[in-house]
Formats: sequence, structure tokens, C-alpha cells
Amino acid sequence: ILNVEQSPQSLHVQEGDSTNFTCSFPSSNFYALHWYRWETAKSPEALFVMTLNGDEKKKGRISATLNTKEGYSYLYIKGSQPEDSATYLCASPTQGGSEKLVFGKGTKLTVNP
Amino acid sequence: DAGVTQSPTHLIKTRGQQVTLRCSPKSGHDTVSWYQQALGQGPQFIFQYYEEEERQRGNFPDRFSGHQFPNYSSELNVNALLLGDSALYLCASSLGGTRGYEQYFGPGTRLTVT
Repeated sequence: ILNVEQSPQSLHVQEGDSTNFTCSFPSSNFYALHWYRWETAKSPEALFVMTLNGDEKKKGRISATLNTKEGYSYLYIKGSQPEDSATYLCASPTQGGSEKLVFGKGTKLTVNP
Repeated sequence: DAGVTQSPTHLIKTRGQQVTLRCSPKSGHDTVSWYQQALGQGPQFIFQYYEEEERQRGNFPDRFSGHQFPNYSSELNVNALLLGDSALYLCASSLGGTRGYEQYFGPGTRLTVT
């Protein structure tokens, strides 16, 4: 059974701080790793889809790395802003292709002004 | 370009009743997946529809059923509602078949069972 874990569960930082959190997944039979950002009362927004070991992706101040051999991905936010406050979810499909995503419980980030 | 839309936004039902939730995928997408998010949990996969057929199913009882129409929109039906079915139900659309695809989510339908 695929188990995706995220840590920490929640995080409070000050505006301007840089932060990072972790997604862990089984390293065997890896297919892809998805990161989503979910603001309250909105739809989850896809940030990155990562497939290759060593992948690094960046979108503005947010970046992510992937280590498929050891089964983890880090999401980094540089210079956090209050608008970065959201729940960040990672997910991995159980099989290649359009198969079901297994989500972690998310990391809830609060950025205080 | 409209993204994924879901209706209704909120719904209150009584235990034992039946409910139908609706989803319209992002333009150009042919695959619809449904997820249930209970409080404090990540979204859990219910099932996925492609070419009007259920392609994969998660660990949900037969009370949960669905349908996909020729225009790719989809419905989620839940029969004999239980209190534990209270959750946010998310619909996601994608283009089926390739590794590393993106799923686009709707805002969800909040179902409360009393």
C-alpha cells in the first residue's frame, strides 16, 4: 500500500522567512510526485509534477527537489509572503499513467505579516 | 477557459438519503477523478472515469457510484448516506494515459450528513 507522509503538519513563519517542508514516499515503483497548493475556499492548484530523480523545479519563489532513491521531496519557499499561506499537499500515483493519486495529509503554512 | 466546476457548493442531507454531485472538467480534458477529503486528512481517491467507464476504484463501498457523460462531465452518487460520509468531495480532471500528467481540481462540494 502506497503511503505518502508529509512533515511538519503545520508551520508558522514570519514574512520574509524562507521555509521548507518534506514529502516522503516509498522509493520502490516510483512514478511521479505531485505538489499542490491549496488556499482556503479555493481549488487545489498544481505546483509541480516531478518524475526524474534529481529533478529540481521552480515557480517564482517556490522550488522543489526530488530524490527517488531515498523517497523524499522537499518544497522550498524563499522569502515567504502572507499570500503563501496555504496547505501544501504532495501526492504520488499508485501506477504509471492516469492512475489514482495517493495524497499526504498536507503541511499547513501560515505566514505572519 | 473555464476550469473544473462542481455543483452544488454545499449540501446538507439526512442519514439514509441519496445524493448526486456534479463535475464539469477543464476544457479539453477527458478523464475525471473523484476524491473525498475528511477533516484532517488528505484527499482520498474514490474512482476515476475515462471514456464513460470506471477505470480505477479506491477503497470505497458500492454505495459510491458514478457516471461519465459523452461530454466528459461526471456525477458522483452516494446512496444510503452515513454520518461518516460528511466530507469535502473534490473532482479533478486530466488528460488520460501519460506519466507525469497534471490533475486540475475543482473547488469541491461540502456534504454534511445529519
